[in-house]
Amino acid sequence: DAGVIQSPRHEVTEMGQEVTLRCKPISGHNSLFWYRQTMMRGLELLIYFNNNVPIDDSGMPEDRFSAKMPNASFSTLKIQPSEPRDSAVYFCASSFLQGLTGELFFGEGSRLTVL
Amino acid sequence: DQQVKQNSPSLSVQEGRISILNCDYTNSMFDYFLWYKKYPAEGPTFLISISSIKDKNEDGRFTVFLNKSAKHLSLHIVPSQPGDSAVYFCAASAKRTGNQFYFGTGTSLTVIP
Repeated sequence: DAGVIQSPRHEVTEMGQEVTLRCKPISGHNSLFWYRQTMMRGLELLIYFNNNVPIDDSGMPEDRFSAKMPNASFSTLKIQPSEPRDSAVYFCASSFLQGLTGELFFGEGSRLTVL
Repeated sequence: DQQVKQNSPSLSVQEGRISILNCDYTNSMFDYFLWYKKYPAEGPTFLISISSIKDKNEDGRFTVFLNKSAKHLSLHIVPSQPGDSAVYFCAASAKRTGNQFYFGTGTSLTVIP
């Protein structure tokens, strides 16, 4: 079974450029999460989709960040314009949330460096 | 602001001894807790979970304890093995508020052979 697939694995860009990170969740999962890993805040929840609908985007840092999930098998996280402080590892995770329990399955992450 | 806290950034333990990783949370609505393990350049992987109706859950060498009154959980690894060296993240969620999973900052465990 394929796990959560993220691309690109590494991205180096210059300040001001647009960055698009992509995620393919595990087939059959109904929830998708975008996280950002930093030393200071650990794994920080950015946005959460359930059945392709954004449920909570309160973690999105500012208007420069946007996320979409046009269908059950694809999501994007876009940063425009990018800034050096956006440098981090971005993780996508999916889950089949049923009742109280469910675990997240993470992709390998996209390491973003903004110069 | 941080609803899940791991106050120890790192921990070193001798092989064969017990590793105890701690986690505190502030939101009393959290009712499901998980531990994830992360190796460098990989995504976190699920290790063990516990719901708020229990105070202990065991899976092989890994045991999670939950103290709801103290809003505290811990992960015990016994005996510790060098392959356990990784970053461990504690996570919590609340069904009533939408099942978002909130993570701590992680504890880096080093098991010394």
